[in-house]
Amino acid sequence: NAGVTQTPKFQVLKTGQSMTLQCAQDMNHEYMSWYRQDPGMGLRLIHYSVGAGITDQGEVPNGYNVSRSTTEDFPLRLLSAAPSQTSVYFCASSAPGQAGNTIYFGEGSWLTVV
Amino acid sequence: SQQGEEDPQALSIQEGENATMNCSYKTSINNLQWYRQNSGRGLVHLILIRSNEREKHSGRLRVTLDTSKKSSSLLITASRAADTASYFCATDEEGFQKLVFGTGTRLLVSP
Repeated sequence: NAGVTQTPKFQVLKTGQSMTLQCAQDMNHEYMSWYRQDPGMGLRLIHYSVGAGITDQGEVPNGYNVSRSTTEDFPLRLLSAAPSQTSVYFCASSAPGQAGNTIYFGEGSWLTVV
Repeated sequence: SQQGEEDPQALSIQEGENATMNCSYKTSINNLQWYRQNSGRGLVHLILIRSNEREKHSGRLRVTLDTSKKSSSLLITASRAADTASYFCATDEEGFQKLVFGTGTRLLVSP
């Protein structure tokens, strides 16, 4: 099973460039979310979605956009990258009521903005 | 910051010893989860404890929850070098779909 797949694994951007981090899950999970992890810190929620067509902001949404056109995909867009967005990004999915509310994480995307 | 607190920030032990790490959170919860993260990898779910449970076991893992103190502990018994990783607690105090993570404990188990 593929689980949660994130691409790319590594990316270097110049300040002001835009890019999209892709996330796909094959578990038919309703909930998907994006987190960022900075050195020495836990994960902080950027945006989340409780189903196709529904998205909402997390703790640190500024500078990021998301959309959820299908159940499987939840891309994260950086419209104008800033050095402060250098981080590791994790996509996650879950289905309420299944497996004790376990969250499944992707392997992460390392982003450097120079 | 909405993040919970974990202590210690880092823990270094020998194989065979027990490792205990603690997590505190801020508001009421329905459940608390512990995750493990190997260096350069994503998070892997270890165990979930519900607010009406006080203790839960899974293999060499023992988790306790004290809702009156808003704290939890994770005990790893008979540690192995392969247990070397960072461990994070996460709560649903902001809602199930908005997990709040602790700052993590880095565990180093030496052979």
